[in-house]
Amino acid sequence: NFMLTQPHSVSESPGKTVTISCTGSGGSIASNYVHWYQLRPGSAPTTVIHENHQRPSGVPDRFSGSMDKSSNSAFLTISGLKTEDEADYYCQSYYSTNWVFGGGTKLTVL
Amino acid sequence: EVQLLESGGGLVQPGGSLRLSCAASGFTFGSYAMNWVRQAPGKGLEWVLSISGSATSTYYADSVKGRFTISRDNSKNTLYLQMNSLRAEDTAIYYCAKAPGSYPEYGWFDSWGQGTLVTVSS
Repeated sequence: NFMLTQPHSVSESPGKTVTISCTGSGGSIASNYVHWYQLRPGSAPTTVIHENHQRPSGVPDRFSGSMDKSSNSAFLTISGLKTEDEADYYCQSYYSTNWVFGGGTKLTVL
Repeated sequence: EVQLLESGGGLVQPGGSLRLSCAASGFTFGSYAMNWVRQAPGKGLEWVLSISGSATSTYYADSVKGRFTISRDNSKNTLYLQMNSLRAEDTAIYYCAKAPGSYPEYGWFDSWGQGTLVTVSS
């Protein structure tokens, strides 16, 4: 079974840059697109990156997505961190009629 | 503006049933696939079910196959989740999520509702 693994938590200071990894196992992560979602407590989830690196309208360009086939990983990078970026972030991919999520990464901005 | 509003959550005993609804607005509902995604307390997101825009295709996670049914009424712009034989492990916030096209195989979710909490406990 295809699985996605994320670090449990990351932390960084305001104004800095943070990168969250999403590593595939049981298949090639490059076989399908990777998407990223932001979950803040009490709010509806939002899509911050779709199809590896596409930003929905309204998502600031501080958010970017990338992929590295050699490490079978996708990455979400947030630059110029703001306190409002503090949230849980999930990667997700579609694999053989199964919508697979990573375990989520808690981003703390302190 | 896309709006998705879930309702129908609550407390139910193990073995019981519950029907969730998701009222959609701001887009041509029947032209888009819809999904249910859940988050158990302290856990991550889990995809549960998907249905195509025309309701001709449905997909189920193994964890709910045979117990949960997804359906939609395009005339009412509403998505449904019928949950039977509920278990404690079904306790979660259930989100309805819109796909970017008419087929679930687009593979991602471009809009989400706020979610509704289902608690399975005696």
